Amino acid sequence: DVKVTQSSRYLVKRTGEKVFLECVQDMDHENMFWYRQDPGLGLRLIYFSYDVKMKEKGDIPEGYSVSREKKERFSLILESASTNQTSMYLCASSSIRGSGRRNTQYFGPGTRLTVL
Amino acid sequence: GQNIDQPTEMTATEGAIVQINCTYQTSGFNGLFWYQQHAGEAPTFLSYNVLDGLEEKGRFSSFLSRSKGYSYLLLKELQMKDSASYLCAVGDSWGKLQFGAGTQVVVTP
Repeated sequence: DVKVTQSSRYLVKRTGEKVFLECVQDMDHENMFWYRQDPGLGLRLIYFSYDVKMKEKGDIPEGYSVSREKKERFSLILESASTNQTSMYLCASSSIRGSGRRNTQYFGPGTRLTVL
Repeated sequence: GQNIDQPTEMTATEGAIVQINCTYQTSGFNGLFWYQQHAGEAPTFLSYNVLDGLEEKGRFSSFLSRSKGYSYLLLKELQMKDSASYLCAVGDSWGKLQFGAGTQVVVTP
């Protein structure tokens, strides 16, 4: 079974703090993704990565950055947290780009971040 | 880009059938996915369609019509544990998924 883990289930930070969210997958997947999920808006893609050290912007990258130094690990960074970044953050991975069913994404349990 | 529409909420009785519709407009299409998400949990994969027609998997079936930009997820013999949000997502050739806002299904006794 695919296993995607995230460093924290719940996190509370203060405005202006730097925040690191870590994601690790154990299936040797090439692709990794970071989403945020808000009521009524669904899942929105922040950043994704097709390979080590590669990153691409998603639909809402502003205020975020990412790092992928190892294939199994994808980090989301909030350089200076703001209250509008309070959300559920979900990490996902998939095996191969552009291959139909193999684009199935497997999700981690999520991190509920509150910025005060 | 993609525009994906699905109803916000549906209510049905235990043992009944519910059909969740999803319509999409895309600039590229590489399959349609359905996910289930229980409150406070991660989405889990349910089904994948890339060709027109019906795919059946136990109590759950998914249908796709590419020419109409339309899919549905059919849940049969509803159980209380089926109360969840159901997410429709369209894949592109780069491996990204664009998600709809989700349909909350409420199963009542």
